[in-house]
Amino acid sequence: DAKTTQPNSMESNEEEPVHLPCNHSTISGTDYIHWYRQLPSQGPEYVIHGLTSNVNNRMASLAIAEDRKSSTLILHRATLRDAAVYYCILISPRRTGANNLFFGTGTRLTVIP
Amino acid sequence: AAGVIQSPRHLIKEKRETATLKCYPIPRHDTVYWYQQGPGQDPQFLISFYEKMQSDKGSIPDRFSAQQFSDYHSELNMSSLELGDSALYFCASSFSVWGYGYTFGSGTRLTVV
Repeated sequence: DAKTTQPNSMESNEEEPVHLPCNHSTISGTDYIHWYRQLPSQGPEYVIHGLTSNVNNRMASLAIAEDRKSSTLILHRATLRDAAVYYCILISPRRTGANNLFFGTGTRLTVIP
Repeated sequence: AAGVIQSPRHLIKEKRETATLKCYPIPRHDTVYWYQQGPGQDPQFLISFYEKMQSDKGSIPDRFSAQQFSDYHSELNMSSLELGDSALYFCASSFSVWGYGYTFGSGTRLTVV
């Protein structure tokens, strides 16, 4: 699986938007971009995923660069509950079988009240 | 909504003992993944199962084994426990049909003393 690069840490003020970047310059045409987050002492939690087009859901938005070599997870209004480690993961799905998630070093987001 | 259930939540074992961790996936999910997360580390992929067959192996020690049963629950068996096995162990499940996120359990915290 292709590698991703994320900043080790970021800070945001509460109720402000947060843009979490991810570089994936070696992404292949079949790689999907997934984002997960892990709150303290909890299992990872699915946030959003996309292939080429920008995606929105109730948790966040995903902006994908036109060349797909980078993407940005956008939290529109950070809350204290959003403080977590955010992981950007690439997956090239198989037609059958497991599609394993490999976690790299994510971004630790601190939200300041 | 039903989530991924892991048991036990906490487990304390002595060195050289054995441990069995259990994972009950979300109903109708056909794929199970196991991860190990040491203190201050990112989750590391151990092993995955699709339709009760082993799909992939990651950094799983030879002392560990796992299987997925006919009811799709999975068990991770760990023998000759070492102090370094102390970690959080997460199970996740998903549909093999692409387009869905992965759901993680709350984890089992194993402490080897």
